[in-house]
Amino acid sequence: NAGVTQTPKFRVLKTGQSMTLLCAQDMNHEYMYWYRQDPGMGLRLIHYSVGEGTTAKGEVPDGYNVSRLKKQNFLLGLESAAPSQTSVYFCASSSPGQGATGELFFGEGSRLTVL
Amino acid sequence: GQNIDQPTEMTATEGAIVQINCTYQTSGFNGLFWYQQHAGEAPTFLSYNVLDGLEEKGRFSSFLSRSKGYSYLLLKELQMKDSASYLCAVTDSNYQLIWGAGTKLIIKP
Repeated sequence: NAGVTQTPKFRVLKTGQSMTLLCAQDMNHEYMYWYRQDPGMGLRLIHYSVGEGTTAKGEVPDGYNVSRLKKQNFLLGLESAAPSQTSVYFCASSSPGQGATGELFFGEGSRLTVL
Repeated sequence: GQNIDQPTEMTATEGAIVQINCTYQTSGFNGLFWYQQHAGEAPTFLSYNVLDGLEEKGRFSSFLSRSKGYSYLLLKELQMKDSASYLCAVTDSNYQLIWGAGTKLIIKP
């Protein structure tokens, strides 16, 4: 049972470098999300997608880009990393259901440090 | 603005009962979720409430009062493995999930 898989799990970047986080889900879910989680704060939505080929901005989209070329994959890109982007990033997926979003299934998280 | 409030941290004893409260002020309401998150792990779904009342699922129960903008998660017969953070999240009128900062629950023997 793979569920939602994120790669890489850990990464250290220098300011200004770029990188891509990959999220893959094998549950045929329509919706996919990228969140960041910082100490003392709730999960904050970066970008989300309601279907293949579609993306939308969430609460904190600046400095990030996303793509969903295939239904099962959702990529998060950092164009020019900044120390403020040091965080734990979670990908999630769901099918429409309870509360419209349905139950979210999360990946294990990617811990990113920007020096 | 939209806001969800939960206590930052709570401590309880193994075998006891604990109630974790969540109050919300959101633009509309389309349901409330509770998730559990163990340290260093991903959140996992616990419960969903959209109508007033109590939903029971084993040792865990969740209550909702829409008129008061209030929910609680009740954990009975606490076990050490229940030590985790508990996240409250509300779906607003735009069907966006708004998350609380979470309540860290510490269980002592």
